[in-house]
Amino acid sequence: DGGITQSPKYLFRKEGQNVTLSCEQNLNHDAMYWYRQDPGQGLRLIYYSQIVNDFQKGDIAEGYSVSREKKESFPLTVTSAQKNPTAFYLCASSFSGDEQYFGPGTRLTVT
Amino acid sequence: GENVEQHPSTLSVQEGDSAVIKCTYSDSASNYFPWYKQELGKGPQLIIDIRSNVGEKKDQRIAVTLNKTAKHFSLHITETQPEDSAVYFCAAMVQAGTALIFGKGTTLSVSS
Repeated sequence: DGGITQSPKYLFRKEGQNVTLSCEQNLNHDAMYWYRQDPGQGLRLIYYSQIVNDFQKGDIAEGYSVSREKKESFPLTVTSAQKNPTAFYLCASSFSGDEQYFGPGTRLTVT
Repeated sequence: GENVEQHPSTLSVQEGDSAVIKCTYSDSASNYFPWYKQELGKGPQLIIDIRSNVGEKKDQRIAVTLNKTAKHFSLHITETQPEDSAVYFCAAMVQAGTALIFGKGTTLSVSS
């Protein structure tokens, strides 16, 4: 089956710890994206990558880091510098550059 | 930068009625406008999109219209069914490969 997988579905961490969220796609898409969703809000872009070994900051990149070593994978690290990390994190990918397809999301809770 | 406003924030209709959700955008350079449906606890699902060289697009019970002059676009759902109940998001993109800018969503409730 082709698609985008995110793991884990739920993640719990203590304040001050870094945590890495996984995103994998087997759609052969070049571009991948990370968005953050807060209750009652739209999605906001954290980082995106159009090709391997290259990525760009989105509107809310502070406190986050990414890597793109393989076309299929785009992990997101939420660092201790992120002031409000509790949120629903969504990964997306795109072949054409406009149509973006989303994974199932990871709900991160930091206490 | 681009800003997308979406209205209404909540919409309740009876099964079989039509539902209309409207969005406005600020950047006239935006050229791609998708609509997503998100069910509780899941990722958004692309349901229909329109590009700036087209005024209207239909897919069975759903349609999207675009008015470039007024910088607004709308989602129309006809013959609504309970399974249409979800949060719907509009979005706009200025340049392919970059960010989608999302509206804040509309919670649609269809009662039978």
